[in-house]
Amino acid sequence: QKEVEQDPGPLSVPEGAIVSLNCTYSNSAFQYFMWYRQYSRKGPELLMYTYSSGNKEDGRFTAQVDKSSKYISLFIRDSQPSDSATYLCAMSLYNQGGKLIFGQGTELSVKP
Amino acid sequence: KAGVTQTPRYLIKTRGQQVTLSCSPISGHRSVSWYQQTPGQGLQFLFEYFSETQRNKGNFPGRFSGRQFSNSRSEMNVSTLELGDSALYLCASSRGQGGLNTGELFFGEGSRLTVL
Repeated sequence: QKEVEQDPGPLSVPEGAIVSLNCTYSNSAFQYFMWYRQYSRKGPELLMYTYSSGNKEDGRFTAQVDKSSKYISLFIRDSQPSDSATYLCAMSLYNQGGKLIFGQGTELSVKP
Repeated sequence: KAGVTQTPRYLIKTRGQQVTLSCSPISGHRSVSWYQQTPGQGLQFLFEYFSETQRNKGNFPGRFSGRQFSNSRSEMNVSTLELGDSALYLCASSRGQGGLNTGELFFGEGSRLTVL
């Protein structure tokens, strides 16, 4: 069993829809939780970063962390075709530096 | 501000050869991490360097090695290439202040290696 599980999709939604992306994890010691977005033939770019449980909002994006359930989510409101990309969740332990554990990534397509 | 730069972007090698990939981090960033990305395994951590010292290492064989220079630039080397080494190799940099990273990594566009 992988430390971080993420449904690879693909996920296809119409423009303007609310998108929900999720990851579960098994290691309760994870402290930092991130969402990265990766366009085709590009490197991942950091979208959201959270520490410990709770919600964080940035524009159309909301990240949620529920450490008791070992479950994290990313919500995208009013989705746009430009949001079409692969979304990767990632986690790390305290003071583990640049060692992130990534989910498999969910491929999202937003249709006009 | 320039981003993370990786060279070469594409390369083709044959089994048994060796390859060296280069990474220039964002100016001021002292930590460089390397990842391998494949369709089957996703993104997997190779190693991290901070101030020229390897700080973390993933579960890859000894054929995979790296180093960091005093200007924070980094190289990774793969010796005795195997078909399964075909992948996108990504470099990421972060500030690494006080030796503590919080996962805010900035990735380059990667070096796509094909092993024939």
